[in-house]
Amino acid sequence: GQQLNQSPQSMFIQEGEDVSMNCTSSSIFNTWLWYKQEPGEGPVLLIALYKAGELTSNGRLTAQFGITRKDSFLNISASIPSDVGIYFCAGKNGNDMRFGAGTRLTVKP
Amino acid sequence: DTAVSQTPKYLVTQMGNDKSIKCEQNLGHDTMYWYKQDSKKFLKIMFSYNNKELIINETVPNRFSPKSPDKAHLNLHINSLELGDSAVYFCASSLRRGALNTGELFFGEGSRLTVL
Repeated sequence: GQQLNQSPQSMFIQEGEDVSMNCTSSSIFNTWLWYKQEPGEGPVLLIALYKAGELTSNGRLTAQFGITRKDSFLNISASIPSDVGIYFCAGKNGNDMRFGAGTRLTVKP
Repeated sequence: DTAVSQTPKYLVTQMGNDKSIKCEQNLGHDTMYWYKQDSKKFLKIMFSYNNKELIINETVPNRFSPKSPDKAHLNLHINSLELGDSAVYFCASSLRRGALNTGELFFGEGSRLTVL
């Protein structure tokens, strides 16, 4: 099946730093999504991208749908302690939605 | 009110036992899912139901049997539990299915199953 490669696996950053993570696939997707999971909770949708080349922001978060439709990235600017969590990319075609392995973000005050 | 609620939140049981996890959504969504998250946090879909009809059944052992009495409920029954079944099981829902689905899933808080 379609595999998503998400990197980096984990990040340890200082509060105030910017963060960048990405997701690549060998197959194209029609929709790319980014979710965040906090400890003890289920994932929550942050940003959804529906068109190749689309760049969408949600507060300090910015995500892009790659032109080739095989990749997406998520940037977080000026990180704060509550950004801590696991960030998952997801690619979707019709009924099929796959998640990346997640990027675990730790923010040091 | 919690949008997607699952019970129990924690479940510790012996190998060979049978257990169930219940899920209810009050969002009026048509489609519900069960995902398994392993110790490495990898999320893998198990089942999806649309309006009580099974639409996705990934390669999951027959010991796992989902049941949807109505579109607001999707329960998961597991027979003859094995050590490898230990994981966090997430229920989720979406407004529509397939191509009509925006991709936004609403997840429950998860049910952590530990098999001893």
